[in-house]
Amino acid sequence: AQSVTQPDIHITVSEGASLELRCNYSYGATPYLFWYVQSPGQGLQLLLKYFSGDTLVQGIKGFEAEFKRSQSSFNLRKPSVHWSDAAEYFCAVVHPGDTGRRALTFGSGTRLQVQP
Amino acid sequence: DTGVSQNPRHKITKRGQNVTFRCDPISEHNRLYWYRQTLGQGPEFLTYFQNEAQLEKSRLLSDRFSAERPKGSFSTLEIQRTEQGDSAMYLCASSGRWGDEQFFGPGTRLTVL
Repeated sequence: AQSVTQPDIHITVSEGASLELRCNYSYGATPYLFWYVQSPGQGLQLLLKYFSGDTLVQGIKGFEAEFKRSQSSFNLRKPSVHWSDAAEYFCAVVHPGDTGRRALTFGSGTRLQVQP
Repeated sequence: DTGVSQNPRHKITKRGQNVTFRCDPISEHNRLYWYRQTLGQGPEFLTYFQNEAQLEKSRLLSDRFSAERPKGSFSTLEIQRTEQGDSAMYLCASSGRWGDEQFFGPGTRLTVL
């Protein structure tokens, strides 16, 4: 069965520092990959997605992610974190085929805390 | 369009009662999903509609749960005979096409006493 692993439950970084959140997936084929952010009291918002092509994808709010097929990873990065980035971040996958499972499979999330 | 909306935002109920949640997707979206999220976890898939047809149900969806999308627009999720283990955030999402972004609503937080 497919699964998504986010090894870091909680990360604390200083404002202005760089950030990398890890995501690994276990899947029979290369799935579509997503990163979502969830702030308290807010719905999940899509940061970026990867379907195919260039393995470095740019998203909103200055985030980017790199797909590495050999490592089954899709890590999220930001060069300089802002206090407003404090939130819960979820990596998610979905089957790419028409006959596959259409619903997203999420990791358990990484909570980001930003220190002033 | 104001995005996906869910009502109510919060629901407190006693064990054994029935509850119903509503989701209004983005108007042009034909795909609608329900997820459940417990504290400290990522959302887990419950069920999926394409137009009015319910195409997939998770094993998480016990026989106490039922979902409908009668006219292919809004959807309802009903939980009968609620249990304390049903306490969670229930999220609804919609998308316009297979593989495209799913847009999430703010969720309905259910507390079963």
